[in-house]
Amino acid sequence: AQKITQTQPGMFVQEKEAVTLDCTYDTSDPSYGLFWYKQPSSGEMIFLIYQGSYDQQNATEGRYSLNFQKARKSANLVISASQLGDSAMYFCAMRVNSGGGADGLTFGKGTHLIIQP
Amino acid sequence: NAGVTQTPKFQVLKTGQSMTLQCAQDMNHNSMYWYRQDPGMGLRLIYYSASEGTTDKGEVPNGYNVSRLNKREFSLRLESAAPSQTSVYFCASSVYENSGNTIYFGEGSWLTVV
Repeated sequence: AQKITQTQPGMFVQEKEAVTLDCTYDTSDPSYGLFWYKQPSSGEMIFLIYQGSYDQQNATEGRYSLNFQKARKSANLVISASQLGDSAMYFCAMRVNSGGGADGLTFGKGTHLIIQP
Repeated sequence: NAGVTQTPKFQVLKTGQSMTLQCAQDMNHNSMYWYRQDPGMGLRLIYYSASEGTTDKGEVPNGYNVSRLNKREFSLRLESAAPSQTSVYFCASSVYENSGNTIYFGEGSWLTVV
């Protein structure tokens, strides 16, 4: 079975500072994908970034980067130059590519990030 | 630019009532999913459908049924609602690839069972 662990229930960060949100995962499958989603107070799930298990380079999307350390089974999200609009819940998720069909994402419990002016 | 559309957005039910949450996607995706989100929890998979005509149980399927009506539509039915089913429900879809792919979510449906 797959498992995602996010150890930071909440974080307060000063505006313009960089933020690292922790995520560790557990799976025995060699082929998998790691995702980060943002959920603002309005409730929608916004896709941020994706990292495949065989990707050689860390994924980046604008101010978001994923610090992928395969041996440590960690996939931390880094947000550079944080903004007030970054305040939200952040979820790490994993999908195992087991073949034969997609079986969805396994989510962590999330980190509530608050950016302070 | 609809993406994944789910209805209704808000619903209050009495214990024992039934209802169906509707979901449709216009991205020609093969796979569709229903999740629930409870306070302090991440999303948990209720049911999924890897392709038209197939459905499978996820982590928390008890008390729910699903129908993959066609490639576009995937509905979730509560036959006899219970207060424990008070939650936010998300429908999602994706194109399945071995290299992984983005999963797109609907805006959520807030369900309260009293």
